[in-house]
Formats: sequence, structure tokens, C-alpha cells
Amino acid sequence: GQNIDQPTEMTATEGAIVQINCTYQTSGFNGLFWYQQHAGEAPTFLSYNVLDGLEEKGRFSSFLSRSKGYSYLLLKELQMKDSASYLCAVRGLAGGYNKLIFGAGTRLAVHP
Amino acid sequence: DAEITQSPRHKITETGRQVTLACHQTWNHNNMFWYRQDLGHGLRLIHYSYGVQDTNKGEVSDGYSVSRSNTEDLPLTLESAASSQTSVYFCASSEHRGTDTQYFGPGTRLTVL
Repeated sequence: GQNIDQPTEMTATEGAIVQINCTYQTSGFNGLFWYQQHAGEAPTFLSYNVLDGLEEKGRFSSFLSRSKGYSYLLLKELQMKDSASYLCAVRGLAGGYNKLIFGAGTRLAVHP
Repeated sequence: DAEITQSPRHKITETGRQVTLACHQTWNHNNMFWYRQDLGHGLRLIHYSYGVQDTNKGEVSDGYSVSRSNTEDLPLTLESAASSQTSVYFCASSEHRGTDTQYFGPGTRLTVL
């Protein structure tokens, strides 16, 4: 089967660091994406990992361990505007080259 | 600027009616996708297309159909709307197969009464 797990909700304080975890079991693996989605809006692309290790992009970093089926999104220097849902998505190999399987998302609330 | 648009943004309809949701992209992307998003389920793939005249079923395709007559458009049709199809629908596109990122439209909130 195919399964992607991430926590349902998290809270953090403005200026702090938060780590959102994602574990996956999929038929094949061809990359992992993180998307940000503000309430009532479309998901927007944050990061992409296909090899093990850390990818850094400004305040956001994403880590991947393929052997463990594990990724995390690290948000530094949190701002109020970072309050949003964060979606982990895995591109599998079965049935198509570019099909994404999404987790249910982690709703992050940033407090002053 | 190139973009992906959806219409209508909000739609209320009655059970049994046929409904078509439009998706239009100006990036000239080959790949287009339709998802639905429901609380607790995340985004689930309904149908997808890798090019003109190509359509494929996703994991939740029952009760939905798509057609791809040109590169820019992938309309989604609910043949006989059911209350279980009340959801937010997102269209997405990507340029090539393989490693390309999918970019999402603004979504359509559909309510079936």
C-alpha cells in the first residue's frame, strides 16, 4: 500500500524553529515535495528532495532519508505569515511518471 | 504572466445535475491534473492527462470524467453530482514527465445539495 504520515497540528512561537516530520511508504520513490497552503488558497511549492540530505532555501530547509522513508521540513525564524498547512507529497513510480501522493497535511499555528 | 486559472471559484448545485469545472493554463504544460481536497484526506488524484487526447484515471475517478482537446484546458465533469462530491477541487499542471513540479490553480469550492 501507499501511506504518508505527518502530524495533524503543530503550534510554535514567532521567532522560533519548528520541524514538521513526514514518513512514507510508497510503491517506488522518485522524489518528495513540500507544499505550503494557506487557508482557502492553493498549495504552493516549497521544496523538492530526491537525494538524501538537506536542501536549504532561505528560512526553510528540507531533509530526506530514503532508507528510513523519512523527511522533515524545518522552518526557522518563524513569522506569523508562516501559519498555514504544510503538505508532504511523494512521487511514486507505479502507474505514471509524475503522480504525487499527498499526506493529509500539518496545520501549523504560529503565536506571538 | 503565465498562469493557471479555474472557474467557477464557487458553485452550488443539486444532486443529479451535471457540473463542469474549468481549468485553463497558459504555461503550455503537457501534464494536467485534477485533485479533490477534503478534511482528513489531503489531496486525492481524480484524473490526469499527459497531453492532448490523453486521459487517465486517478485514485478517486468514479463519477468524474475529463477530456483534453487542447494543451491549455482540462475540464472536469461530474456526470450526476452527489453529496459525496462536495469538496474543494484543484487543478494542477507540470511541464514534463519525470521531475517537474506541479503548480496549482486557485481551486473551486463545490457544494452539492
